[in-house]
Amino acid sequence: EIVLTQSPVSLPVTPGEPASISCRSSHSLLNSNGFNYLDWYVQKAGQPPRLLIYLASSRASGVPDRFSGSGSRTDFTLEISSVQTDDFGVYYCVQAQQRPPTFGQGTKVEIK
Amino acid sequence: QVQMLQSGPGLVKPSQTLSLTCSVSGVSIISGGYYWTWIRQHPGKGLEWIGDIDYDGKSHSNPSLESRVTLSRDASQFFLNLHSVTAADTATYYCARGLLLFSDYVGAFEVWGQGTVVTVSS
Repeated sequence: EIVLTQSPVSLPVTPGEPASISCRSSHSLLNSNGFNYLDWYVQKAGQPPRLLIYLASSRASGVPDRFSGSGSRTDFTLEISSVQTDDFGVYYCVQAQQRPPTFGQGTKVEIK
Repeated sequence: QVQMLQSGPGLVKPSQTLSLTCSVSGVSIISGGYYWTWIRQHPGKGLEWIGDIDYDGKSHSNPSLESRVTLSRDASQFFLNLHSVTAADTATYYCARGLLLFSDYVGAFEVWGQGTVVTVSS
């Protein structure tokens, strides 16, 4: 089973400032087709997660362009260029390379 | 627009079977192109993939649960049965649709059900 480790666990951010979350994988997520099988989600209290980024860097439908994903193999980053009040919540990375898909432990982005 | 509506009991007794339904509107489950997935979240914890089923009925489940999980589907609904439940199965259960971008890609859960809070207790 692939283990994903996110950092930091908690990220206080002032609205308008940038934010960055790291996700490290115990195995390479670079597929032979050239794509990295890593997704990002955000979850707010009482709601299901929402897909933000898939294949490491592709924004899902309707996701603002202040969200960007990067990285390859075992090291990935989610960046928010300017955090808005609607962006506060828990962010998860997920590997889609092999079953079972596994989730990082989450990073809570909160108001500073 | 695709919508996914979950139904099922919120309370299940220990040793019994937890049965949940996810009703899908806006697309046929058997039309292809997606994985139909169950994910759960223990109280205050992270997320755990339970299993998925594809358009032709092929299913996979988490090895940690495999012997207790049964997945099935018809054209507009898919189903989770989790047998012999214990208190450790108390969680919020979600259904979700994953994009079949590549045959070996198990991700991009882009549409979700509303979640069902399930408590296992006598």
